[in-house]
Amino acid sequence: DAGITQSPRHKVTETGTPVTLRCHQTENHRYMYWYRQDPGHGLRLIHYSYGVKDTDKGEVSDGYSVSRSKTEDFLLTLESATSSQTSVYFCASRDRVSNEQFFGPGTRLTVL
Amino acid sequence: GQSLEQPSEVTAVEGAIVQINCTYQTSGFYGLSWYQQHDGGAPTFLSYNALDGLEETGRFSSFLSRSDSYGYLLLQELQMKDSASYFCAVRDDGGSQGNLIFGKGTKLSVKP
Repeated sequence: DAGITQSPRHKVTETGTPVTLRCHQTENHRYMYWYRQDPGHGLRLIHYSYGVKDTDKGEVSDGYSVSRSKTEDFLLTLESATSSQTSVYFCASRDRVSNEQFFGPGTRLTVL
Repeated sequence: GQSLEQPSEVTAVEGAIVQINCTYQTSGFYGLSWYQQHDGGAPTFLSYNALDGLEETGRFSSFLSRSDSYGYLLLQELQMKDSASYFCAVRDDGGSQGNLIFGKGTKLSVKP
């Protein structure tokens, strides 16, 4: 298994507060992704990265920003959390040639 | 728009064979993947089809027909541990990012 971890695993926060989720991978994968998973919606891409400092928006990027200062770390920030951002967030990574994405264990975020 | 359709739920008995269908409508197509996700767990990669035909990996097989925009995942000799959600996902761009569009998932329940 690719070594990919997420922190925190669970978080409860209040509306309007900033939140940062961290994804860390030890496989030297070039590509990294942030998804959210909600009942009835499957997995939806928030942002992705194709290298250090190279990021782009996915399908549901509004209200989220990302940063990738090192190959192994991909941060997702909610600048001002809203209740609609209550979800399970998954990070994934992929190497340059494979079609397989390796997923982290997920972060359950609740915004009250 | 981009959409993937798959049944929301399927039930089968232990030892049986089950087929989970996926039809897609996307702006581009470069391959169909399948992922498995147990309750509370992370998605894990099962298969990838870029060309028409059947790919077999142990008890699981995946089929693709690009002309019909259709694929399926076939699970044979069902076991209780196969109870999980199964997601089809389309790679809709030929670029190196390998971004995926996921279906909403099919929840498979295997009964004794």
